[in-house]
Amino acid sequence: AQTVTQSQPEMSVQEAETVTLSCTYDTSESDYYLFWYKQPPSRQMILVIRQEAYKQQNATENRFSVNFQKAAKSFSLKISDSQLGDAAMYFCAYRRNTGNQFYFGTGTSLTVIP
Amino acid sequence: DVKVTQSSRYLVKRTGEKVFLECVQDMDHENMFWYRQDPGLGLRLIYFSYDVKMKEKGDIPEGYSVSREKKERFSLILESASTNQTSMYLCASSLQGLEQYFGPGTRLTVT
Repeated sequence: AQTVTQSQPEMSVQEAETVTLSCTYDTSESDYYLFWYKQPPSRQMILVIRQEAYKQQNATENRFSVNFQKAAKSFSLKISDSQLGDAAMYFCAYRRNTGNQFYFGTGTSLTVIP
Repeated sequence: DVKVTQSSRYLVKRTGEKVFLECVQDMDHENMFWYRQDPGLGLRLIYFSYDVKMKEKGDIPEGYSVSREKKERFSLILESASTNQTSMYLCASSLQGLEQYFGPGTRLTVT
């Protein structure tokens, strides 16, 4: 079975600084997708960024970027120039290319300090 | 924009009651999912459906059932609610091969 591990239950960052959230996963597949989702307090979960395993280039969305290390099965999220609105629970997720089921990590709660 | 709605944001039920949680999506997605979210445990999949009247068990289906009579609607049923089913329930939908879109969640309290 696929597993996704987020080893940092809580993280904090100063406003305008950079923070990296860690995620590792276990799979025997070669083709899959990885995702980072954001869940602000009492608000809907939204997609932050997506990475296809067959792409060597790391995905980037504005201030959010990933460091995808396929051999190490690592998928970290870097948030640059952190803003107060970035405070949220962040979930890493995995999906096989041919499957429907998503596998989520346990989440990292990010606090942004003004 | 994809919209996934859930029938209630907050729900309080008594032990033994039958509980229905409804989820509707408006983007013609084939796949729909029900998760429960608990602190420290992340999201755990209860059931998912990849087509009308089709369903598959997730990781924690015990005590739950689902119904998908129409493509846009996916219902989660607690046949006899118990206190250990107090949780946040999240519905999601997706097109084949793409990311999931989530509803706002239903916080269920069983007393």
